Amino acid sequence: KNEVEQSPQNLTAQEGEFITINCSYSVGISALHWLQQHPGGGIVSLFMLSSGKKKHGRLIATINIQEKHSSLHITASHPRDSAVYICAVSSGGSQGNLIFGKGTKLSVKP
Amino acid sequence: EAGVTQFPSHSVIEKGQTVTLRCDPISGHDNLYWYRRVMGKEIKFLLHFVKESKQDESGMPNNRFLAERTGGTYSTLKVQPAELEDSGVYFCASSQWGEANEKLFFGSGTQLSVL
Repeated sequence: KNEVEQSPQNLTAQEGEFITINCSYSVGISALHWLQQHPGGGIVSLFMLSSGKKKHGRLIATINIQEKHSSLHITASHPRDSAVYICAVSSGGSQGNLIFGKGTKLSVKP
Repeated sequence: EAGVTQFPSHSVIEKGQTVTLRCDPISGHDNLYWYRRVMGKEIKFLLHFVKESKQDESGMPNNRFLAERTGGTYSTLKVQPAELEDSGVYFCASSQWGEANEKLFFGSGTQLSVL
């Protein structure tokens, strides 16, 4: 069992739908990252959080430290949101020494 | 401002050969990280430089991998000799040192295929 588990692995949604991607982890962490990777592209850091909630545009990330769980929400989804979303945690060491989840592949249909 | 750049974008080599991957971080970023994703698996951390010093190399798989960052600017990751299981995508990321919220900036990766 991975130390960072994401669900679902694959997600297909219709344009406009509200989307939730979940991440659970089993280790103590100093921070949790949500990353986005478009097909054939590099990885973009969306959020880094250690408590509470962050919002950027249509994206919202929440974390519950006690439950070792984080969610990434996308409101009013759009086909351009189609990408792989990756959860990763910093567990001791430097912030960039990350334990990654396997990713959630999101496809938003027009 | 240029982002993190990696070269080459793709490399195909034969087992036993040597390959050198390069990462140019964002100018002024002291932290530089290497990661790897082999097919079907999650991305794994390899190592972390602060300027020219190796801060953490706990993720390096074996001594066939050698990373350097001479002068604290760009970094190279050499695989010698390459084995089939080294195939995968190698990512580099950089960030500024000392920031409380250390945002990572990633390169587009190098796809390595060892035949």
